[in-house]
Amino acid sequence: GAVVSQHPSRVICKSGTSVKIECRSLDFQATTMFWYRQFPKQSLMLMATSNEGSKATYEQGVEKDKFLINHASLTLSTLTVTSAHPEDSSFYICSARPRRASGNTIYFGEGSWLTVV
Amino acid sequence: AQSVTQLDSQVPVFEEAPVELRCNYSSSVSVYLFWYVQYPNQGLQLLLKYLSGSTLVKGINGFEAEFNKSQTSFHLRKPSVHISDTAEYFCAVTTYSGGYQKVTFGTGTKLQVIP
Repeated sequence: GAVVSQHPSRVICKSGTSVKIECRSLDFQATTMFWYRQFPKQSLMLMATSNEGSKATYEQGVEKDKFLINHASLTLSTLTVTSAHPEDSSFYICSARPRRASGNTIYFGEGSWLTVV
Repeated sequence: AQSVTQLDSQVPVFEEAPVELRCNYSSSVSVYLFWYVQYPNQGLQLLLKYLSGSTLVKGINGFEAEFNKSQTSFHLRKPSVHISDTAEYFCAVTTYSGGYQKVTFGTGTKLQVIP
């Protein structure tokens, strides 16, 4: 079946540095990718929608200069957390919609656990 | 390892009829359970969640779900569906082990409400 890979699965970075998280669709082309974050015991919160060939659409309250999203190709989207702070520590997860999907089929990555120290 | 199974990939139902979307999970640690809805070209929206306490959870848009630990299930129900409920529904399990979080999604159930 369709697979979405996220890397790294866990990362620890120092406060003030930047960290990049990759989301790859391994066996399909994705026209749309979604980025979410989840705090402990909370639900997923949509951060942005990334469409191939255009700029990402950010949800209200999400700083686009802090969370840089690049949909570089039909199989890769990256989320870069710039100048990370401890409050950015969270679980980040992406999902991808295949280019030729019928209906609303979507696949999820396994998530990336970011700890900022 | 944990897993989530949504037994029905598609569920057609007539408008104003009741519906149940099934979700079963497996996990060796305590779980937090979520149901999300996704409308075309939009991100996930939270319908409801179970963290602890009462096993019957009420969510938005008239949906509710019941956590059944013995059957490892968290089925979603609505007594009377509307056309606007046509969407894809995802069940998700979150666990915390060794200080790390893991989220697993079901494969989704497409609810089609027939006028």
